Amino acid sequence: ETGVTQSPTHLIKTRGQQVTLRCSSQSGHNTVSWYQQALGQGPQFIFQYYREEENGRGNFPPRFSGLQFPNYSSELNVNALELDDSALYLCASSNDRARGANVLTFGAGSRLTVL
Amino acid sequence: QKEVEQNSGPLSVPEGAIASLNCTYSDRGSQSFFWYRQYSGKSPELIMFIYSNGDKEDGRFTAQLNKASQYVSLLIRDSQPSDSATYLCAVKGSGGGADGLTFGKGTHLIIQP
Repeated sequence: ETGVTQSPTHLIKTRGQQVTLRCSSQSGHNTVSWYQQALGQGPQFIFQYYREEENGRGNFPPRFSGLQFPNYSSELNVNALELDDSALYLCASSNDRARGANVLTFGAGSRLTVL
Repeated sequence: QKEVEQNSGPLSVPEGAIASLNCTYSDRGSQSFFWYRQYSGKSPELIMFIYSNGDKEDGRFTAQLNKASQYVSLLIRDSQPSDSATYLCAVKGSGGGADGLTFGKGTHLIIQP
């Protein structure tokens, strides 16, 4: 059983640029969600994808967008990067049909630094 | 605004003792409660989840839930130095199936050898 994999692990961007982060969900999981974790804070929910559609969103502006593909993998796109976007971006997968459907398995994260 | 509150610590506990971690939440309709452990520079890993009032035990870990008091706790028995980490409390609110988890800021636990 493969876990959740994310890429890249680290990246540095400058303010105003755009970034795409990628995630492959755990085998058997059909739901992907993304979280932002700033230094010293708990993860904050960005959005969730199920059946290739966004079906839940946290308090993040529209410049945060995403995709889910038929194989359940996902992308997080952030446009017009701001300094405050510097954080660890966590992808989590889950299986909505399983007992304990809200149990998330996190990937190792992508650490984004915006200069 | 849903909130999950944790004491940020650090909480220092001698090796072999019981570590007690606490969490309160604001959404009275919350249904599911989770404890994650996060080592420095790593991603969160699930320790336990609990849905019903009372205690749930798994090895050295016990989760306790009191919905009337909107309170969740995690007890770690026979604490080991490897238990030193940040413990995140997370709550699934009443907003529907696509509502994400709301996390607290975490409690930094230090087990002293």
